Amino acid sequence: VQLVESGGGLAQPGRSLRLSCVTSGFTFENYAMHWVRQVPGKGPEWVAGITWNSGTRGYADSVKGRFTISRDHAEKSLYLQMNSLKPEDTAFYYCAKDLNSSGWSGLDCWGQGTLVTVSS
Amino acid sequence: SYILTQTPSVSVAPGQTARITCGGNNIGHKNVHWYHQKPGQAPLLVVYDDSDRPSGIPERFSGSNSGNAATLTISRVEAGDEADYYCQVWDTSSGHVVFGGGTKLTVL
Repeated sequence: VQLVESGGGLAQPGRSLRLSCVTSGFTFENYAMHWVRQVPGKGPEWVAGITWNSGTRGYADSVKGRFTISRDHAEKSLYLQMNSLKPEDTAFYYCAKDLNSSGWSGLDCWGQGTLVTVSS
Repeated sequence: SYILTQTPSVSVAPGQTARITCGGNNIGHKNVHWYHQKPGQAPLLVVYDDSDRPSGIPERFSGSNSGNAATLTISRVEAGDEADYYCQVWDTSSGHVVFGGGTKLTVL
């Protein structure tokens, strides 16, 4: 199982970034997926989750209305569109696979993370 | 929103047993998952659904959950177990995934 994130980088406040996570080694369409972020030295913070069929999408209060999670089964990929970025969005962003297809459970596979820095 | 509380640090000698707790209101009614994280690495799931272990995780790692506290127990602690440990639940009321603040395990 492999999850590989990309799309991080430096963005000015108010601008946008789109993160991607390409997956392999498992049947992507059978599992819920998540984005989790972490500021170095701090604990993980859940950002967003999406069920196997995109029927349910959940967001942390801190990003709701600004971030959008989506998935493409043909590409076996997970995405996070981040708009109206704020300095407090600065963190490593991890893509993670859920144990379940619907509803949220434990996250049994994680990518290596991509760094997002929001600064002027 | 639902809050998970962890003791910031736990120290234990090699070969002894470490117990890391995660407190939350009626957490016994939720499924608790545990991760360890070493510097520069992504979190790794070590226990899920209170007490199940993913493949490849040693039997030394076990979990329990009742009332207002869940516990991760690490038996026969080794130097390689030194890491940050996080608990996690799904708060069905808010629909959010929630992580605890983490416990740093130091092996003396």
